[in-house]
Amino acid sequence: GAVVSQHPSRVICKSGTSVKIECRSLDFQATTMFWYRQFPKQSLMLMATSNEGSKATYEQGVEKDKFLINHASLTLSTLTVTSAHPEDSSFYICSAPTSGAIDETQYFGPGTRLLVL
Amino acid sequence: RKEVEQDPGPFNVPEGATVAFNCTYSNSASQSFFWYRQDCRKEPKLLMSVYSSGNEDGRFTAQLNRASQYISLLIRDSKLSDSATYLCVVYGTYKYIFGTGTRLKVLA
Repeated sequence: GAVVSQHPSRVICKSGTSVKIECRSLDFQATTMFWYRQFPKQSLMLMATSNEGSKATYEQGVEKDKFLINHASLTLSTLTVTSAHPEDSSFYICSAPTSGAIDETQYFGPGTRLLVL
Repeated sequence: RKEVEQDPGPFNVPEGATVAFNCTYSNSASQSFFWYRQDCRKEPKLLMSVYSSGNEDGRFTAQLNRASQYISLLIRDSKLSDSATYLCVVYGTYKYIFGTGTRLKVLA
C-alpha cells in the first residue's frame, strides 16, 4: 500500500528553538498534504493543508508565522515549528491522498512526537 | 455542535461479542466517509471507506445514512486485537474532519 514517511519520529528540544518535520510520500506524488496535531486523548486537529507550488491553507486559530509549511516538491512537505514552547508539545502527523482526487483515501505518516522543555 | 461526533466510550466487550459504533456529522454536503483505527501512540490506519449502499470487510460492516447524517461501524466476533480507538472521518469542503474517536477494549 501507499507509504508516507515522517522524520524525525521523536524530538526533544529547548523552548525557543525551531523544529523542522519532514513528510514524504514514498511511492506516489502528492500535490496536497495535510498536517494534523493530536494532543493526548484528543482527536486529530487539522492545522493546515500543504499545496505543492502554492501557499499553505491554515485552519482558523493556527498561526502561519509560527507553523511554517513548505511543499517543496510532489513528494515532500515540511512543517517548521518556530520558537517552540512547551504548549507546542504534541503529536504531529501528516497525511496525503494517494490519488489526484483530494477526497480519496488518505494515508498517514507515522507521526512525530515533539516535546518542548 | 461538533462537525463530527462520536461516543468516546470506552466500550468494554468480551471476546466474540458484536459491537456497534455510531458517528454523526453536521455538514450535509459531506462527500466521503471513512473509519480509521488508531492504536495507542500510533498514526491512524484506514479501516474502511463507507458507502451509501453499505459495505462489508470480513467481520467489519459499515453503513452510511445520508438522510440522518450518521455512519455506523459493526464489528462481529470481536478479537483482542480489535482493541483500539476507532475514528470516524468525514470529508467535505476540501478537508477531512475527525471525530474524537471511540475507544474499544475487547476483554479476554
